[in-house]
Amino acid sequence: QLQLQESGPGLVKPSETLSLTCTVSGGSISSNNYYWGWIRQPPGEGLEWIGSVYYSGSPYYNPSLKGRVTISVDTSRNQFSLKLTSVTAADAAVYYCARHQIQLWFIPYWGQGTLVTVSS
Amino acid sequence: EIVLTQSPGTLSLSPGERATLSCRASQSISSSYLAWYQQKPGQAPRLLIFGASSRATGIPDRFSGSGSGTDFTLTISRLEPEDFAVYYCQQYGSAPFTFGPGTKVDIK
Repeated sequence: QLQLQESGPGLVKPSETLSLTCTVSGGSISSNNYYWGWIRQPPGEGLEWIGSVYYSGSPYYNPSLKGRVTISVDTSRNQFSLKLTSVTAADAAVYYCARHQIQLWFIPYWGQGTLVTVSS
Repeated sequence: EIVLTQSPGTLSLSPGERATLSCRASQSISSSYLAWYQQKPGQAPRLLIFGASSRATGIPDRFSGSGSGTDFTLTISRLEPEDFAVYYCQQYGSAPFTFGPGTKVDIK
């Protein structure tokens, strides 16, 4: 059974970099058929797709994040990571990692989510 | 960017009643690439429907999706107590892949 687990600091200072990791168990991140992605949800608000990446590269990023985001894969650890630079209060959210099929950008598998607060 | 609008914002119903949720897109969604999710407090969203009308694995048949182009509907034929939640639509026909603002189904 596939499981996704987010980890990382729950508090980030304004202007600094948010860094989260998703650990994949019950499946290989190097599978040919899947993209690995991040979605976020500000408290009490809706969902925003941050981006997704294939295990060997080819990332997709939401243009709304204006070059602040990087998603990378560590196949040796079966993990993928999110970095979001120059954070502001608007980046405070629950961050979910996820898996979806190549060419089918809906999400059957989600992590439980991790709350990130932005405050000095 | 395709903007999704969901209505109503809140739907107050009783268990056993039928729920009809609407999702409207600002432009036509190619190949009916529209999904529906259910989210309960403190939980990740759960995929219910993809391809506008295909139920995801393990989803009860009281959930059904329909529509094409710009107008889509999620129907819950008879509400069970566990169905009271927030429901989101999502389009994956063109990037950026966007979600609607959600419809809350609460107990009347």
